[in-house]
Amino acid sequence: QKEVEQDPGPLSVPEGAIVSLNCTYSNSAFQYFMWYRQYSRKGPELLMYTYSSGNKEDGRFTAQVDKSSKYISLFIRDSQPSDSATYLCAMSDWAAGNKLTFGGGTRVLVKP
Amino acid sequence: GAVVSQHPSWVICKSGTSVKIECRSLDFQATTMFWYRQFPKQSLMLMATSNEGSKATYEQGVEKDKFLINHASLTLSTLTVTSAHPEDSSFYICSATRGYEQYFGPGTRLTVT
Repeated sequence: QKEVEQDPGPLSVPEGAIVSLNCTYSNSAFQYFMWYRQYSRKGPELLMYTYSSGNKEDGRFTAQVDKSSKYISLFIRDSQPSDSATYLCAMSDWAAGNKLTFGGGTRVLVKP
Repeated sequence: GAVVSQHPSWVICKSGTSVKIECRSLDFQATTMFWYRQFPKQSLMLMATSNEGSKATYEQGVEKDKFLINHASLTLSTLTVTSAHPEDSSFYICSATRGYEQYFGPGTRLTVT
């Protein structure tokens, strides 16, 4: 079993819909949770960073962390075709020296 | 802020030659940088952790003598692929840490012929 599980998709939604992404993990020591967006042949771009449980909102993006369930989510409101990309969740604990453990990525397609 | 650059963005080299890839944090200092490789439609695979002024720490299975890493300053780390072979062809990505956040470069596509 992988430390971080993420549905590979593809997840196809119409423009304007809410995109819902999630990851589950098994290591209870993870404290820092990140979501990255990666376009084809590009490096990942940091979208959201959260520490511990709770919600965080930034523009069209909302990240949720439920440490009791070992479950994190990313919601993208009013999705645009430009949101079509692969979304990677990543997490770490300070003891690991900032090393990130990634999910496999979810491919998202937003259709005009 | 938090921009990381890589050079070159793509490179083609002949088998047996060496290739150097540079990773720079442009607007912040990074005591720790990481090097990853990524195969098509797969997630990132961590190769090594690079700390300024000390030897890199390699992940299990990564050949230290083949992938030489030097972290010369707080803004520059280099990865040299020595005696490259076609199986080393891949997308190499670096990242730099600022606090608990990790920022990635745009990646370097290496093709070994």
